[in-house]
Amino acid sequence: DQQVKQNSPSLSVQEGRISILNCDYTNSMFDYFLWYKKYPAEGPTFLISISSIKDKNEDGRFTVFLNKSAKHLSLHIVPSQPGDSAVYFCAASADDYKLSFGAGTTVTVRA
Amino acid sequence: EPEVTQTPSHQVTQMGQEVILRCVPISNHLYFYWYRQILGQKVEFLVSFYNNEISEKSEIFDDQFSVERPDGSNFTLKIRSTKLEDSAMYFCASKTGSNYGYTFGSGTRLTVV
Repeated sequence: DQQVKQNSPSLSVQEGRISILNCDYTNSMFDYFLWYKKYPAEGPTFLISISSIKDKNEDGRFTVFLNKSAKHLSLHIVPSQPGDSAVYFCAASADDYKLSFGAGTTVTVRA
Repeated sequence: EPEVTQTPSHQVTQMGQEVILRCVPISNHLYFYWYRQILGQKVEFLVSFYNNEISEKSEIFDDQFSVERPDGSNFTLKIRSTKLEDSAMYFCASKTGSNYGYTFGSGTRLTVV
């Protein structure tokens, strides 16, 4: 299943700077997009989502941008904090609510 | 905060044995899911369950797999005859009627030897 792609397996960023995570999708039926954060030995934790009718959603330090024409979304974390070090998964669903996940990006925030 | 509970956290089983992975979803959730993640690979959808029946299943979810909600609170995944390639983290998830309510459990690490 290659419908959701995260092409950067890892990202290293200095504390206080911006982290930008990217995600591309191929299925034009996707209408809802989510970002999950995952620590080792834990399940994915919901972070932020965006509906296809919007192009931006913001929640505190987290902002998700959606570019439907490019089938691309990104997650911005600013400022990055050490506790943000985790694996971030992009996920998408159509109206069946089943999630298709990307492979994940491991974020390391350096002090 | 309500959470999805999975037991056991780690299960080791011999190839060919049956395993049952257990989940207690959030009480007012209506949709239930199993996902798995093989080490180093993506999180993959296995099955969704709504109104006491399977609503969708992936090609991974073959005849060796079954799900059940036996008592209105537990949600189980049974693998009848485990194979080495079934070794993975299995995540249970539940949700309300909107995507926003998607909550995952901490997972069960299944190791088939």
